[in-house]
Amino acid sequence: GQNIDQPTEMTATEGAIVQINCTYQTSGFNGLFWYQQHAGEAPTFLSYNVLDGLEEKGRFSSFLSRSKGYSYLLLKELQMKDSASYLCAVPSMNSGYSTLTFGKGTMLLVSP
Amino acid sequence: SAVISQKPSRDICQRGTSLTIQCQVDSQVTMMFWYRQQPGQSLTLIATANQGSEATYESGFVIDKFPISRPNLTFSTLTVSNMSPEDSSIYLCSASADTQYFGPGTRLTVL
Repeated sequence: GQNIDQPTEMTATEGAIVQINCTYQTSGFNGLFWYQQHAGEAPTFLSYNVLDGLEEKGRFSSFLSRSKGYSYLLLKELQMKDSASYLCAVPSMNSGYSTLTFGKGTMLLVSP
Repeated sequence: SAVISQKPSRDICQRGTSLTIQCQVDSQVTMMFWYRQQPGQSLTLIATANQGSEATYESGFVIDKFPISRPNLTFSTLTVSNMSPEDSSIYLCSASADTQYFGPGTRLTVL
């Protein structure tokens, strides 16, 4: 089976840095995804990590440690528009890694 | 990339009725999926829509309740049958291209 844990909610102020953690236990592993979902909208792809280490993409970076079953999403220079839910997801081995299992999401609130 | 559209965007339905949601992708994709997102919750996979064969359902979801069609590589439908208030949710279509993309969702309220 698969289990994905992430904090339910976080708060931060504009201009700050925030780190959203995700831990996972899976049968088999084929990478980890991060999605951003604004209220009432579809999830949008942010990052995919399959190898250990940090991948930077503008203000957003994602880190993976396969040995620890751990990932984080790092958001720098926070803006009000970054207020959203951030979803951690892993491909399911049962489907040949074609489907995703999502964590419950972390609601990030950015305040002025 | 893939751009996905869904119809309707929202609906309010009576208990016992059925609603069919349509999903259109702007390019041919091998894999299409249907997810449900209940209020305040994350996404739960309902089924994989297979082109030319029956959909593959996840545990807890059955074909009689959620029949799915996939007539070609760009289109799929999900029907929510014999609805009850517990079916009130957002239903999201998804497709795999270079990564997995999501449609805007259909917000369903069952009275």
